[in-house]
Amino acid sequence: NSKVIQTPRYLVKGQGQKAKMRCIPEKGHPVVFWYQQNKNNEFKFLINFQNQEVLQQIDMTEKRFSAECPSNSPCSLEIQSSEAGDSALYLCASSLLQSNTEVFFGKGTRLTVV
Amino acid sequence: QQQVRQSPQSLTVWEGETAILNCSYEDSTFNYFPWYQQFPGEGPALLISIRSVSDKKEDGRFTIFFNKREKKLSLHITDSQPGDSATYFCAASAPNTGKLTFGDGTVLTVKP
Repeated sequence: NSKVIQTPRYLVKGQGQKAKMRCIPEKGHPVVFWYQQNKNNEFKFLINFQNQEVLQQIDMTEKRFSAECPSNSPCSLEIQSSEAGDSALYLCASSLLQSNTEVFFGKGTRLTVV
Repeated sequence: QQQVRQSPQSLTVWEGETAILNCSYEDSTFNYFPWYQQFPGEGPALLISIRSVSDKKEDGRFTIFFNKREKKLSLHITDSQPGDSATYFCAASAPNTGKLTFGDGTVLTVKP
């Protein structure tokens, strides 16, 4: 069973609204990832952190998307102005090491933009 | 160009049979290959993984066969059970990055 906790499980927002989702990584895992899985089951990597520092991110996240992993608080992914095309399952994952190691996913936050 | 490809898109087997799911990749720097199982409404769960230094990894009913030269791998599920019905994703990552590149998945149905 996954020990990565994501909240909320479901999120419904109107176009232009802000959408924020949270993630508590597995205990002891300093590396956190965010992925987007669309209705066609395609995964898109968004960003990853080690502790509070960004390791990699795609261009998309530099515009409407923002993410952070503050010390002693849940990680979060926020979409500033939601668009219909943002409707997807947002998955948080964590791992012990930066690479070549097991990555564990949470159950996801299902975002619907109406 | 899709970096990780899976076939078939969907597969139906009878209970007790062996299901074979295929995966191929383009990037020769990929060296870590996990397989994930995902049920509807859930996140992907890590099933089994292999590193490119190995050609086989076994865990219970699940076995990965890996061919580095051909850039192909397969997941064999022996004694398939109806509870194995799910979507299976092959993924890959390169050294020095934890970013996973996923295939489009294979939907497995196991009929009782």
